[in-house]
Amino acid sequence: QSALTQPASVSGSPGQSITISCTGTSSDVGGYNYVSWYQQHPGKAPKLMIYEVSNRPSGVSNRFSGSKSGNTASLTISGLQADDEADYYCSSYTSSSTLVFGGGTKLTVL
Amino acid sequence: QITLKESGPTLVKPTQTLTLTCTLSGFSLSTSGVGVGWIRQPPGKALEWLALIYWNDDKRYSPSLKSRLTITKDTSKNEVVLTMTNMDPVDTVTYYCAHIGFSTTGWYAFDIWGQGTMVTVSS
Repeated sequence: QSALTQPASVSGSPGQSITISCTGTSSDVGGYNYVSWYQQHPGKAPKLMIYEVSNRPSGVSNRFSGSKSGNTASLTISGLQADDEADYYCSSYTSSSTLVFGGGTKLTVL
Repeated sequence: QITLKESGPTLVKPTQTLTLTCTLSGFSLSTSGVGVGWIRQPPGKALEWLALIYWNDDKRYSPSLKSRLTITKDTSKNEVVLTMTNMDPVDTVTYYCAHIGFSTTGWYAFDIWGQGTMVTVSS
């Protein structure tokens, strides 16, 4: 299985909104509503931000939202804050009953 | 409070077998709907999913590493063990274990992560 495709980097100014895409195939992202998003600050373990495409775990800010269209899932962060600067990874369940991560996106808050 | 902690050798030689232990706290892998997975990350690079085991002993493996991996659970010790054979310098990465709880975040999302353990493969 190949890693899901994410842009290497995105950037935005405080207060703005950004969207990170995660492109797979009909055998993973497009075939199941099991896309998750993780935030990882340098030197820290990842943190779950979105599960099952658009659900937020308890305690995650509603500035984070997820969606999916076809084989591409998206994470949108609104009202950008300095602390949002981190790496973001998507993951998906696959038709092989396995999981696959994306290549990661570095978010820079200008 | 759910926590997970990885432990194991920090240095292994090429061709050796790596054994990592994930010690669970605040939950049990004998509880329906619970799973534990292993994920690794090379320095400065992306996450890579390795393996997953559920409370019912359902096991899943990364297709690219399946021949080298074994995941097991010991509910009496509250541990999950991952073994990886034939270690190579490219396996020099940080290894994480993480919790899955169906009742809170579904079957395939890791909601609680360990701190990670760095393993170096070198002769």
